[in-house]
Amino acid sequence: ILNVEQSPQSLHVQEGDSTNFTCSFPSSNFYALHWYRWETAKSPEALFVMTLNGDEKKKGRISATLNTKEGYSYLYIKGSQPEDSATYLCAPGGGGADGLTFGKGTHLIIQP
Amino acid sequence: DSGVTQTPKHLITATGQRVTLRCSPRSGDLSVYWYQQSLDQGLQFLIHYYNGEERAKGNILERFSAQQFPDLHSELNLSSLELGDSALYFCASSVGVEGYEQYFGPGTRLTVT
Repeated sequence: ILNVEQSPQSLHVQEGDSTNFTCSFPSSNFYALHWYRWETAKSPEALFVMTLNGDEKKKGRISATLNTKEGYSYLYIKGSQPEDSATYLCAPGGGGADGLTFGKGTHLIIQP
Repeated sequence: DSGVTQTPKHLITATGQRVTLRCSPRSGDLSVYWYQQSLDQGLQFLIHYYNGEERAKGNILERFSAQQFPDLHSELNLSSLELGDSALYFCASSVGVEGYEQYFGPGTRLTVT
């Protein structure tokens, strides 16, 4: 069972501010790292799939970086907006038939 | 809308009963994954089917079973239900067997009373 840690557990950010949070995972036998956004009363939505050390992906104001050697990924949100309020989940996995192992998430609340 | 459908949306049943949750994957996706989200746990992988065959098992109890049919829809059967089985059950689908870009359905909220 993979040990996936996300920090912080929750985060309150003022609208317009930028923020970031961390996902830590075992660096051995790494294949891919997934980020999902999960809004209340909706289903998890895929943001990024990252595979290469040093990978950096961007979607609008959200970006993510990956360090497979030390086993961590950062998710950044620039200029937070109320619609960014959600729980952000990371999950190492893929490369085999096993499902994803999700961390408990970072619950982000954007305050107007 | 991810294109993955799940029925029913909500289910309330009593302890000891059996229920069936249904999932239809996105068009073209061959893999179906089942996950459980309970109050004190994160999303936990239960089981994976690819093109009708079981490919991997996670933290699935022996009281639970699943199958994937020729039309690729999948059913998760939960029997001898206990209070602790109350949870949100998601299915997710992806094109291949490796689990890239899994698309999640809306979930079924199961309440066992």
